Amino acid sequence: AQSVTQLGSHVSVSEGALVLLRCNYSSSVPPYLFWYVQYPNQGLQLLLKYTSAATLVKGINGFEAEFKKSETSFHLTKPSAHMSDAAEYFCAVSDRGRDDKIIFGKGTRLHILP
Amino acid sequence: DVKVTQSSRYLVKRTGEKVFLECVQDMDHENMFWYRQDPGLGLRLIYFSYDVKMKEKGDIPEGYSVSREKKERFSLILESASTNQTSMYLCASSGVIGNYEQYFGPGTRLTVT
Repeated sequence: AQSVTQLGSHVSVSEGALVLLRCNYSSSVPPYLFWYVQYPNQGLQLLLKYTSAATLVKGINGFEAEFKKSETSFHLTKPSAHMSDAAEYFCAVSDRGRDDKIIFGKGTRLHILP
Repeated sequence: DVKVTQSSRYLVKRTGEKVFLECVQDMDHENMFWYRQDPGLGLRLIYFSYDVKMKEKGDIPEGYSVSREKKERFSLILESASTNQTSMYLCASSGVIGNYEQYFGPGTRLTVT
């Protein structure tokens, strides 16, 4: 069975500082991994996804994530935080089954300090 | 672009009322999903459907039912709303072969008083 653990329900960084949001996964099959972002009062939007090609995945808004099989991790990073990055971020894993089900983490709310 | 729309952004209902939440997608996706989102609990799957008239229970189906009469439309029904069903409800669809990505609607914030 698949599962996702996001470390830290709230993370605060200063504007211009490195953003690091942690995600560890568990999967019995080679997984597909996703990061979604949710801005206030909106639905979820895909930031990036890992589909077993390159282990370093680049997404929108300057975010990237690295798949590390040995650590079962898929941490999200951005070199320099911007005020507009304040949002909730969800890591998710798919077992690539017929029904496209995704298991989501509990989310990490990112706060940007001026 | 894929578009998933939900019938209401905000909804206020009374305890015991029957509530319908509608979701429509315009990309001919086979799979559709209903989640509820609560602070600290992330997204929890209520029901999903992989074809017209087909439905499967998710992790928290109690108190809910669904209907999928047409491919593009997936409805969530609260037969008798209760205060513990106050939540954000998110609809999603997927169906691009080999993609596994889900596309989300804007959400409906339901308050049951």
